[in-house]
Formats: sequence, structure tokens, C-alpha cells
Amino acid sequence: KAGVTQTPRYLIKTRGQQVTLSCSPISGHRSVSWYQQTPGQGLQFLFEYFSETQRNKGNFPGRFSGRQFSNSRSEMNVSTLELGDSALYLCASSLGPRQGGATEAFFGQGTRLTVV
Amino acid sequence: AQKVTQAQTEISVVEKEDVTLDCVYETRDTTYYLFWYKQPPSGELVFLIRRNSFDEQNEISGRYSWNFQKSTSSFNFTITASQVVDSAVYFCALSKTYNNNDMRFGAGTRLTVKP
Repeated sequence: KAGVTQTPRYLIKTRGQQVTLSCSPISGHRSVSWYQQTPGQGLQFLFEYFSETQRNKGNFPGRFSGRQFSNSRSEMNVSTLELGDSALYLCASSLGPRQGGATEAFFGQGTRLTVV
Repeated sequence: AQKVTQAQTEISVVEKEDVTLDCVYETRDTTYYLFWYKQPPSGELVFLIRRNSFDEQNEISGRYSWNFQKSTSSFNFTITASQVVDSAVYFCALSKTYNNNDMRFGAGTRLTVKP
């Protein structure tokens, strides 16, 4: 069973540009969450999508957006990049809402974004 | 507000030593979930355990064990007879509801196991 796939693995962008990151969840998983990891702020939740709908959003500016497609693949977009957006962006997939308890999230290896 | 505190930034042990990673959490919710993840140098977070707030039983899985105590809001993780391959950053996380992947992570503890 393939794991969570994030592309690209590494990215270098210039301030002011925009970037799109992709995440393909585990087959059968319908929930995708995005996290930003930086040395200063640690792991921070960006947003979660389930069945193409954003269910929850973290405390990030509107420059950060995302979407989910009917095949559960998700993309996140960051517009007008700032130096502080340099981070490891992690995607996590899970089965989604169900009775019986939280389902564990499986993470991809992340996309390391460097803004210069 | 939810918060997870991992006070130990870095721990270094010699192989075969036992080591305990501390996790203290804050939440006003009565139902919540706690997690431990391991992050090796490759970057992905590897799921280790999930525990809901109604299940205070301790759990053992091989060399790993977890001690959940609601009275002290702690969910500590012990590795017995540590190995070099255990070297990684370990994160404790808290989730509000059973179907919400909005996890709040602690700052992580970097564990180095020396041969």
C-alpha cells in the first residue's frame, strides 16, 4: 500500500512568488491535513480537507490556501511568498470522520520550501 | 485553549539505557486524543500511538511504553533498552475531537542514542 506522497520534495522560490504543493493521500483516505514545520514555531496546523470541503483552518494569513479534489488529492498554495514561509510543509492523510475514535494520521515526507 | 508541552528539548543516552520523554497537555475538552509521533531525519512523522481521554490504561508495545495520567495531564513515553535506531525527534500531540485531524503538537524532544 503506497504511503502519502508529496511533491515536489524540495523547492526554492523568490520572495513575492507563489507556490503550489501537492499531496496524494493513501488510497481510501478522504481526509488530508497540512502542517507547517519551522525551527522557531514547530509544527503548526494549516488546514484540513475532507470530501473536498475545508473542515478546519489554523491561524495563518489568507495567503495560505488549499483545496481537495474528488480523488482526495490535495494542493496547498502560498501566494506572495515571504522569507518566513521557508519551512517543511507536511501533509497527513487519514480515513476521516468515523465512530469509534480518532483515526491516526499518516504523514508524507514533506516539501521543503526555501524562499530567497 | 489547547497546549502541549515537551519540556525536554534534547536528551542524550547511551545504548541500552532506558529513557522517558515527558509530555504535559492542557485542554478544556472532556473528550480528546493524545498521540506520539517519531520524526527520523528523513522528515516524515511516524505514528506511534493514539490514546483517547477515557482510556487511562498504560500501554506497552515491545520496547515502547506509555503512561497516561489524567490527574497530572501527562502522557509520558518510555523507551526501554534504547537503540541507536531510536535516535529521532519525538512529538506529542493533542487532538480535540474524534474526527478532527487538527493536532496541536509539542515542540518535540530530540533523542540521541549513542553506541
